[in-house]
Amino acid sequence: DGGITQSPKYLFRKEGQNVTLSCEQNLNHDAMYWYRQDPGQGLRLIYYSQIVNDFQKGDIAEGYSVSREKKESFPLTVTSAQKNPTAFYLCASSIAQGTYNSPLHFGNGTRLTVT
Amino acid sequence: GENVEQHPSTLSVQEGDSAVIKCTYSDSASNYFPWYKQELGKRPQLIIDIRSNVGEKKDQRIAVTLNKTAKHFSLHITETQPEDSAVYFCAAKTSGSRLTFGEGTQLTVNP
Repeated sequence: DGGITQSPKYLFRKEGQNVTLSCEQNLNHDAMYWYRQDPGQGLRLIYYSQIVNDFQKGDIAEGYSVSREKKESFPLTVTSAQKNPTAFYLCASSIAQGTYNSPLHFGNGTRLTVT
Repeated sequence: GENVEQHPSTLSVQEGDSAVIKCTYSDSASNYFPWYKQELGKRPQLIIDIRSNVGEKKDQRIAVTLNKTAKHFSLHITETQPEDSAVYFCAAKTSGSRLTFGEGTQLTVNP
């Protein structure tokens, strides 16, 4: 889906370094989300934002931080406090969380490897 | 909060057979139930969804059924093809809440 762009596709970092994953959408969606996916596992919610300048913790927020300064952008920072940061990270957006039948649209993901 | 359980975790079928994946949810207020397909290394994509005021929805070889009383919904794929092989996720949400996903089902269609 060209509407959500995640960059880069692959990212390599050394342990102890913070790293920021980019997510941009041009769908005019209000809500944006970050999910983490480990091999063979499901989707775990890290953070989500329903509106500019507001965001909430998901189920596994420890060691991560986000900002939502613009409607189109929702960057995720993986900090050195995240104990197991190697994973596949998916960004998603939807029309509005309050709209009951608003499906998620996902980006192509960023595969982060920390050594 | 909402809890969604998905079964089975893996499913292997012969090409041409049908495949059924089942999910149960805990919040009786849930009113939207999408299904996503994720091919290896790619992003999840919405394949079908159903609202709580509908009992069944079909789209070619794919159908979803919803039983609100029992709080479960199922994905049915008929005449399976090798390209149907993927991980399938169910999800549920109420108005104003975020989607809660099941753990996923790895479907393998053997030629």
